[in-house]
Amino acid sequence: QSVLTQSPSASGTPGQRVTISCSGSSSNIGSNYVHWYQQVPGTAPKLLIYRNDQRPPGVPDRFSGSKSGTSASLAISGLRSEDEADYYCAAWDDSLSESVFGGGTQLTVL
Amino acid sequence: QAQLVESGGGVVQPGRSLRLSCAASGFMFRVYAMHWVRQAPGKGLDWVAVISPDGDNEYYADSVKGRFAISRDNSKNTVYLQMNSLEAEDTAVYYCATTYGSYAPQCDYWGQGTLVTVSS
Repeated sequence: QSVLTQSPSASGTPGQRVTISCSGSSSNIGSNYVHWYQQVPGTAPKLLIYRNDQRPPGVPDRFSGSKSGTSASLAISGLRSEDEADYYCAAWDDSLSESVFGGGTQLTVL
Repeated sequence: QAQLVESGGGVVQPGRSLRLSCAASGFMFRVYAMHWVRQAPGKGLDWVAVISPDGDNEYYADSVKGRFAISRDNSKNTVYLQMNSLEAEDTAVYYCATTYGSYAPQCDYWGQGTLVTVSS
């Protein structure tokens, strides 16, 4: 029921490149920035990517974000075991006047 | 170092009220918008509300509109969430988080969360 749609799960082996997608609409992703969070279970979320493709200080350049139309993607290259976490996309929705999150993608490193 | 510390969580009966607090330190609180985001057990992130830096503007998720109220006291570097008419579906860890310069969910700093359990 989330306004932003994410696949529930993704997986990869160490060293691989994984992509997590986030689909929205013209009122959210289509007209506003997308932000990505990483959450290790039991801890607070951490801002991973902001304004579609910007990395906060300290976030490795293995993490990258992109946006096209009403969809956005988070790519993780050189996958590492510590990347195993839940990933969420978020955006402001102009029609709802609310922030909206994706349902989250659980990433497993095999 | 920026720090957010939530408090006020606990067990409350359906229909009752609870007020959460979030004390901020280590950054210029008065220029940041403040959010409340919750996470039900085993579920994803759910945005609740945001308040502007000066406290003049607020926005709420539909699910809490009319029941919850966000406020802030810039003299105390604290943001609040007054939760009324609580329902079982409000059971969650409640996080406060900051955004500089807009209402967007670009949250740089997060607290550790406080657990609210609504149960009879």
